[in-house]
Amino acid sequence: AQSVAQPEDQVNVAEGNPLTVKCTYSVSGNPYLFWYVQYPNRGLQFLLKYITGDNLVKGSYGFEAEFNKSQTSFHLKKPSALVSDSALYFCAVRRRSGGSYIPTFGRGTSLIVHP
Amino acid sequence: DADVTQTPRNRITKTGKRIMLECSQTKGHDRMYWYRQDPGLGLRLIYYSFDVKDINKGEISDGYSVSRQAQAKFSLSLESAIPNQTALYFCATSDAGHLGSYNEQFFGPGTRLTVL
Repeated sequence: AQSVAQPEDQVNVAEGNPLTVKCTYSVSGNPYLFWYVQYPNRGLQFLLKYITGDNLVKGSYGFEAEFNKSQTSFHLKKPSALVSDSALYFCAVRRRSGGSYIPTFGRGTSLIVHP
Repeated sequence: DADVTQTPRNRITKTGKRIMLECSQTKGHDRMYWYRQDPGLGLRLIYYSFDVKDINKGEISDGYSVSRQAQAKFSLSLESAIPNQTALYFCATSDAGHLGSYNEQFFGPGTRLTVL
């Protein structure tokens, strides 16, 4: 069963407008949720995480994400998009594998911010 | 990215050749991972290691092997490369996190491998 889903392959937004990149999860127990960003020709960089506490999590570069337990979602948001935010975004969730926890990544969403 | 380095950055090889990708880290993390990235498929876990004596298969380990030479070094081998192993390969590290659970990962810059 898929543990994390990113329903949009691509999101287009105009510079200055708010952006949302969607993520839903399916794991048992308490979800540990993460967002990463990948710029062209680079490795992934950690943006933010939710483990416990406030449902609204703030991260790097002005990004935030809202954990919604009833909707099993962890959408990434930013109030005002920049052209430099254009990149590939990955949602990840920890899942149990035997006696350990390992990450599972979504397929990624390409964010394109138009000038 | 400088905390996690990968060599080579680019490699073109032929079907049937043995190839090794190397990863080194200065983060001091115990946990290391190898992923491959294919367009539209995201990242898929090949192998992971939680300490020097611990090696575990990931989702797609067939055709790959790994060696954890030290806390800071984790190498991935393709014993006999085939064209569908053409992909972008990433090494990552993490610490154990809260109560030995999973914590965020730090990725290397990637190795672009082409198998002809």
